[in-house]
Amino acid sequence: KAGVTQTPRYLIKTRGQQVTLSCSPISGHRSVSWYQQTPGQGLQFLFEYFSETQRNKGNFPGRFSGRQFSNSRSEMNVSTLELGDSALYLCASSFTGDSYNSPLHFGNGTRLTVT
Amino acid sequence: GNSVTQMEGPVTLSEEAFLTINCTYTATGYPSLFWYVQYPGEGLQLLLKATKADDKGSNKGFEATYRKETTSFHLEKGSVQVSDSAVYFCASTYSGGGADGLTFGKGTHLIIQP
Repeated sequence: KAGVTQTPRYLIKTRGQQVTLSCSPISGHRSVSWYQQTPGQGLQFLFEYFSETQRNKGNFPGRFSGRQFSNSRSEMNVSTLELGDSALYLCASSFTGDSYNSPLHFGNGTRLTVT
Repeated sequence: GNSVTQMEGPVTLSEEAFLTINCTYTATGYPSLFWYVQYPGEGLQLLLKATKADDKGSNKGFEATYRKETTSFHLEKGSVQVSDSAVYFCASTYSGGGADGLTFGKGTHLIIQP
């Protein structure tokens, strides 16, 4: 069974640009969550999608957005990139998004560097 | 808000030593609690979990007990192996279960020397 796949693995962008990251969940999983991981702040929750609807959102500015397609694949977009957006972006999928009964399965992440 | 605090390390131990990684949380109510592990070159994976006071989660020789009175979920293992070298993350839901995002600690880098 294929795991969670994130593309691309590495990305270098310039301040002010925008970027789109992609996540393919495990087959059958309908919930996709996104997290930002930095050395200073650790792992922080961005948002969660279930059946193409955003159900929860973390405390990030509106420059961070996402969407989910009918096949459960998800994308997240960051507009007007800032140096502080440099991070590892992790995607996690689960059957229902209920953290306890439906554990998260994480991808290996996309490493974004903003110069 | 909710926060999870754990020692960041690195923690270096010899093989067969006893391991404790402390974790405390601030969420009110009855959050679900988790330990995730990230082995070198791999994504985070669930190690163990607990959902109510005094519950004990266990897996691969690791254990953690949900202590409501001290808001803690310390990870323990009686005899560590080199293969346990990894980064360990403690996490909690905001309160109860549901589809809210997890709050993670900053991770503890564990190094086991032969």
